[in-house]
Amino acid sequence: SQQGEEDPQALSIQEGENATMNCSYKTSINNLQWYRQNSGRGLVHLILIRSNEREKHSGRLRVTLDTSKKSSSLLITASRAADTASYFCATDAGGIQGAQKLVFGQGTRLTINP
Amino acid sequence: GAVVSQHPSWVICKSGTSVKIECRSLDFQATTMFWYRQFPKQSLMLMATSNEGSKATYEQGVEKDKFLINHASLTLSTLTVTSAHPEDSSFYICSARPYWGLIGEQYFGPGTRLTVT
Repeated sequence: SQQGEEDPQALSIQEGENATMNCSYKTSINNLQWYRQNSGRGLVHLILIRSNEREKHSGRLRVTLDTSKKSSSLLITASRAADTASYFCATDAGGIQGAQKLVFGQGTRLTINP
Repeated sequence: GAVVSQHPSWVICKSGTSVKIECRSLDFQATTMFWYRQFPKQSLMLMATSNEGSKATYEQGVEKDKFLINHASLTLSTLTVTSAHPEDSSFYICSARPYWGLIGEQYFGPGTRLTVT
Protein backbone atom coordinates (compact mmCIF):
# COMPACT_ATOMS: atom_id res chain seq x y z
CA SER A 1 0.00 0.00 0.00
CA GLN A 2 1.13 3.51 -0.62
CA GLN A 3 2.71 5.21 2.35
CA GLY A 4 2.75 8.73 1.17
CA GLU A 5 1.10 11.34 -0.85
CA GLU A 6 2.87 13.90 -2.90
CA ASP A 7 1.73 17.22 -4.10
CA PRO A 8 1.42 18.61 -6.51
CA GLN A 9 0.82 15.65 -8.80
CA ALA A 10 2.11 17.73 -11.67
CA LEU A 11 4.15 20.92 -11.78
CA SER A 12 5.13 23.00 -14.77
CA ILE A 13 7.52 25.93 -14.40
CA GLN A 14 9.88 28.04 -16.46
CA GLU A 15 13.55 27.26 -16.64
CA GLY A 16 15.44 29.09 -13.93
CA GLU A 17 12.58 29.06 -11.46
CA ASN A 18 12.57 27.01 -8.28
CA ALA A 19 10.45 23.88 -7.96
CA THR A 20 9.05 22.65 -4.68
CA MET A 21 7.49 19.26 -4.16
CA ASN A 22 5.94 17.97 -0.97
CA CYS A 23 5.56 14.51 0.46
CA SER A 24 3.50 13.31 3.40
CA TYR A 25 3.66 9.91 5.02
CA LYS A 26 1.73 8.00 7.63
CA THR A 27 3.96 5.90 9.86
CA SER A 28 7.17 6.43 11.74
CA ILE A 29 10.28 6.22 9.61
CA ASN A 30 14.01 5.65 9.82
CA ASN A 31 14.72 7.83 6.85
CA LEU A 32 13.15 9.38 3.79
CA GLN A 33 14.59 9.39 0.32
CA TRP A 34 13.92 11.25 -2.88
CA TYR A 35 14.30 9.70 -6.30
CA ARG A 36 14.06 10.97 -9.85
CA GLN A 37 12.70 8.96 -12.75
CA ASN A 38 12.93 9.99 -16.36
CA SER A 39 10.13 8.70 -18.55
CA GLY A 40 10.36 4.95 -19.00
CA ARG A 41 13.63 4.69 -17.13
CA GLY A 42 14.86 3.46 -13.78
CA LEU A 43 15.17 5.45 -10.61
CA VAL A 44 18.01 7.74 -9.72
CA HIS A 45 18.69 8.27 -6.04
CA LEU A 46 18.86 11.95 -5.17
CA ILE A 47 19.13 12.32 -1.45
CA LEU A 48 18.49 10.52 1.83
CA ILE A 49 17.55 12.33 5.00
CA ARG A 50 17.50 10.56 8.33
CA SER A 51 14.69 10.90 10.82
CA ASN A 52 16.89 12.92 13.18
CA GLU A 53 17.83 15.40 10.47
CA ARG A 54 15.76 18.43 9.55
CA GLU A 55 17.43 19.69 6.41
CA LYS A 56 19.90 18.45 3.87
CA HIS A 57 21.50 19.93 0.79
CA SER A 58 23.02 18.41 -2.31
CA GLY A 59 23.96 20.77 -5.10
CA ARG A 60 20.76 22.48 -6.26
CA LEU A 61 18.63 20.21 -4.10
CA ARG A 62 17.35 21.04 -0.65
CA VAL A 63 15.33 18.56 1.35
CA THR A 64 13.53 19.25 4.60
CA LEU A 65 11.94 16.79 6.96
CA ASP A 66 9.36 17.49 9.64
CA THR A 67 8.70 14.30 11.55
CA SER A 68 6.10 15.97 13.76
CA LYS A 69 4.02 16.68 10.66
CA LYS A 70 5.17 13.54 8.85
CA SER A 71 6.12 15.55 5.83
CA SER A 72 9.08 16.36 3.63
CA SER A 73 9.78 18.79 0.85
CA LEU A 74 12.19 18.77 -2.07
CA LEU A 75 13.32 22.08 -3.48
CA ILE A 76 15.15 22.27 -6.78
CA THR A 77 16.68 25.68 -7.30
CA ALA A 78 17.48 27.30 -10.65
CA SER A 79 15.69 24.58 -12.55
CA ARG A 80 16.94 23.33 -15.90
CA ALA A 81 15.21 21.56 -18.77
CA ALA A 82 17.11 18.41 -17.81
CA ASP A 83 15.30 18.40 -14.48
CA THR A 84 12.10 17.39 -16.28
CA ALA A 85 11.17 14.05 -14.73
CA SER A 86 8.98 12.43 -12.11
CA TYR A 87 10.09 12.77 -8.53
CA PHE A 88 9.21 10.28 -5.83
CA CYS A 89 9.67 10.26 -2.12
CA ALA A 90 10.19 6.92 -0.44
CA THR A 91 10.18 5.91 3.18
CA ASP A 92 11.34 2.77 4.85
CA ALA A 93 8.36 1.42 6.69
CA GLY A 94 10.18 1.31 9.98
CA GLY A 95 9.81 -1.28 12.71
CA ILE A 96 10.70 -4.93 12.58
CA GLN A 97 8.16 -6.05 10.04
CA GLY A 98 8.70 -3.16 7.71
CA ALA A 99 12.43 -2.90 8.01
CA GLN A 100 14.36 -2.34 4.83
CA LYS A 101 11.32 -2.00 2.59
CA LEU A 102 10.77 1.24 0.72
CA VAL A 103 7.28 2.58 0.26
CA PHE A 104 6.89 5.15 -2.47
CA GLY A 105 4.74 8.21 -2.72
CA GLN A 106 2.60 8.83 -5.76
CA GLY A 107 5.12 11.11 -7.38
CA THR A 108 5.22 14.58 -8.84
CA ARG A 109 5.62 15.03 -12.59
CA LEU A 110 7.84 18.06 -13.07
CA THR A 111 8.09 19.82 -16.42
CA ILE A 112 10.63 22.55 -16.97
CA ASN A 113 9.76 24.78 -19.90
CA PRO A 114 12.70 26.34 -21.73
CA GLY B 1 29.94 1.70 -8.00
CA ALA B 2 26.66 0.13 -6.83
CA VAL B 3 25.30 -0.65 -10.28
CA VAL B 4 22.28 -2.86 -10.83
CA SER B 5 21.38 -4.24 -14.23
CA GLN B 6 18.24 -5.84 -15.56
CA HIS B 7 17.76 -8.09 -18.53
CA PRO B 8 15.95 -7.83 -20.79
CA SER B 9 15.20 -4.13 -20.92
CA TRP B 10 11.99 -4.86 -22.78
CA VAL B 11 10.12 -7.96 -23.81
CA ILE B 12 6.99 -8.76 -25.73
CA CYS B 13 5.35 -12.12 -25.17
CA LYS B 14 2.13 -13.87 -26.03
CA SER B 15 -0.61 -14.45 -23.54
CA GLY B 16 -0.12 -17.73 -21.68
CA THR B 17 3.64 -17.87 -21.96
CA SER B 18 6.20 -17.28 -19.19
CA VAL B 19 8.82 -14.59 -19.06
CA LYS B 20 11.94 -14.42 -16.91
CA ILE B 21 13.53 -11.15 -15.88
CA GLU B 22 17.01 -11.03 -14.38
CA CYS B 23 18.32 -8.56 -11.86
CA ARG B 24 22.04 -8.41 -11.18
CA SER B 25 24.15 -6.37 -8.83
CA LEU B 26 27.29 -5.84 -10.88
CA ASP B 27 29.84 -4.59 -8.39
CA PHE B 28 28.51 -5.49 -4.98
CA GLN B 29 26.91 -8.32 -3.12
CA ALA B 30 23.27 -7.85 -2.30
CA THR B 31 21.82 -9.50 0.75
CA THR B 32 18.35 -8.45 -0.27
CA MET B 33 16.71 -7.67 -3.57
CA PHE B 34 13.32 -6.13 -4.15
CA TRP B 35 10.92 -6.34 -7.06
CA TYR B 36 8.52 -3.54 -7.95
CA ARG B 37 5.99 -3.01 -10.67
CA GLN B 38 4.93 0.31 -12.07
CA PHE B 39 1.94 1.04 -14.25
CA PRO B 40 2.00 4.05 -16.58
CA LYS B 41 2.03 7.35 -14.75
CA GLN B 42 1.80 5.63 -11.42
CA SER B 43 4.17 5.00 -8.57
CA LEU B 44 6.21 1.92 -7.78
CA MET B 45 4.46 -0.85 -5.90
CA LEU B 46 6.57 -3.35 -4.02
CA MET B 47 5.82 -6.89 -5.10
CA ALA B 48 8.22 -8.95 -3.08
CA THR B 49 11.41 -9.04 -1.10
CA SER B 50 13.95 -11.75 -1.72
CA ASN B 51 16.91 -12.81 0.36
CA GLU B 52 19.65 -14.98 -1.02
CA GLY B 53 19.04 -18.63 -0.31
CA SER B 54 15.56 -18.25 1.14
CA LYS B 55 12.01 -17.92 -0.08
CA ALA B 56 10.76 -14.55 -1.18
CA THR B 57 8.33 -12.59 0.93
CA TYR B 58 5.42 -11.38 -1.12
CA GLU B 59 3.33 -8.31 -0.49
CA GLN B 60 -0.35 -8.67 0.13
CA GLY B 61 -2.27 -9.23 -3.07
CA VAL B 62 0.70 -10.49 -5.09
CA GLU B 63 0.27 -14.05 -6.32
CA LYS B 64 3.38 -16.01 -5.43
CA ASP B 65 2.55 -18.78 -7.90
CA LYS B 66 2.28 -16.29 -10.71
CA PHE B 67 5.33 -14.22 -9.93
CA LEU B 68 8.11 -16.67 -9.13
CA ILE B 69 11.17 -15.17 -7.54
CA ASN B 70 14.49 -16.91 -7.20
CA HIS B 71 17.46 -15.37 -5.46
CA ALA B 72 20.12 -17.89 -6.36
CA SER B 73 23.18 -15.91 -5.42
CA LEU B 74 24.27 -12.68 -3.78
CA THR B 75 24.34 -10.98 -7.17
CA LEU B 76 21.38 -12.44 -9.02
CA SER B 77 17.63 -12.51 -8.54
CA THR B 78 15.10 -13.55 -11.15
CA LEU B 79 11.41 -12.82 -11.53
CA THR B 80 9.39 -15.18 -13.69
CA VAL B 81 5.95 -14.10 -14.75
CA THR B 82 4.10 -17.35 -15.40
CA SER B 83 1.14 -17.72 -17.74
CA ALA B 84 1.31 -14.06 -18.56
CA HIS B 85 -1.83 -12.12 -19.36
CA PRO B 86 -2.26 -8.65 -20.88
CA GLU B 87 -2.97 -7.21 -17.44
CA ASP B 88 0.55 -8.24 -16.42
CA SER B 89 1.92 -5.72 -18.90
CA SER B 90 3.87 -3.30 -16.81
CA PHE B 91 7.27 -1.85 -16.00
CA TYR B 92 9.14 -4.14 -13.60
CA ILE B 93 11.98 -2.66 -11.57
CA CYS B 94 14.32 -4.41 -9.21
CA SER B 95 16.53 -2.97 -6.53
CA ALA B 96 19.35 -4.39 -4.47
CA ARG B 97 20.47 -3.65 -0.96
CA PRO B 98 24.18 -4.07 -0.38
CA TYR B 99 25.27 -6.05 2.66
CA TRP B 100 26.97 -2.92 3.97
CA GLY B 101 24.02 -0.67 3.25
CA LEU B 102 22.39 1.78 5.56
CA ILE B 103 18.79 1.19 6.52
CA GLY B 104 16.66 1.85 3.44
CA GLU B 105 19.62 2.10 1.08
CA GLN B 106 18.83 0.47 -2.23
CA TYR B 107 20.14 0.69 -5.76
CA PHE B 108 17.70 0.40 -8.61
CA GLY B 109 17.95 -1.33 -11.94
CA PRO B 110 16.89 0.39 -15.17
CA GLY B 111 13.64 -1.57 -15.38
CA THR B 112 12.10 -4.07 -17.77
CA ARG B 113 9.07 -3.22 -19.81
CA LEU B 114 6.84 -6.24 -20.31
CA THR B 115 4.12 -6.23 -22.93
CA VAL B 116 1.80 -9.21 -23.12
CA THR B 117 -0.19 -9.50 -26.32
